[in-house]
Amino acid sequence: QPVLTQPPSSSASPGESARLTCTLPSDINVGSYNIYWYQQKPGSPPRYLLYYYSDSDKGQGSGVPSRFSGSKDASANTGILLISGLQSEDEADYYCMIWPSNAPVVFGGGTKLTVL
Amino acid sequence: QVQLQESGPGLVKPSQTLSLTCTVSGGSISSGDYYWSWIRQPPGKGLEWIGYIYYSGSTYYNPSLKSRVTISVDTSKNQFSLKLSSVTAADTAVYYCARVDYVLWYFDLWGRGTLVTVSS
Repeated sequence: QPVLTQPPSSSASPGESARLTCTLPSDINVGSYNIYWYQQKPGSPPRYLLYYYSDSDKGQGSGVPSRFSGSKDASANTGILLISGLQSEDEADYYCMIWPSNAPVVFGGGTKLTVL
Repeated sequence: QVQLQESGPGLVKPSQTLSLTCTVSGGSISSGDYYWSWIRQPPGKGLEWIGYIYYSGSTYYNPSLKSRVTISVDTSKNQFSLKLSSVTAADTAVYYCARVDYVLWYFDLWGRGTLVTVSS
């Protein structure tokens, strides 16, 4: 079962941008998968933010601000969640996910984002 | 709007079977528009997918838990359930039920979760 690697923590100041990464194992090509992103605040279930496959195939969750966006870095085999114009309410844990065909769902270990 | 609500014992003894139910309100499991899933999260840790079920009863389980997991559906009650056998302390977690959008294959709606502690 593949493991998605996320940095345990990240921090940025209000108004700045935060770039959260999700690295796939070398035997799985990031270009082949939708990368899903979830936000989880303490005591709450995860909230779906968005998915990213390509610039022409992506989707935003209902009510999710446009300052949340996804992308990929193929050279690093990594999915990216970019949060621009950080707000204090963005402080949360962020999880990436892939769902391979006919295979189990895989979540990343999560990144705790601190808004300084 | 559709809501999911988990219910079941909050404390289970080691070696026993954990049983939870998810009640779906505001929509019908029988519509066939979604799959229905269980996911868990140990305290302070990340998410682990357990498995999913369709209204027809077809299931797919995480291979790491498959030998101990049973997910079932009761369309008359608009509920689906989780049974996890031979539990240990490692099964202590918040258990979430979630709806699966099977067009894009992701979890688009979650219950609030219920903490199950395995302890004697």
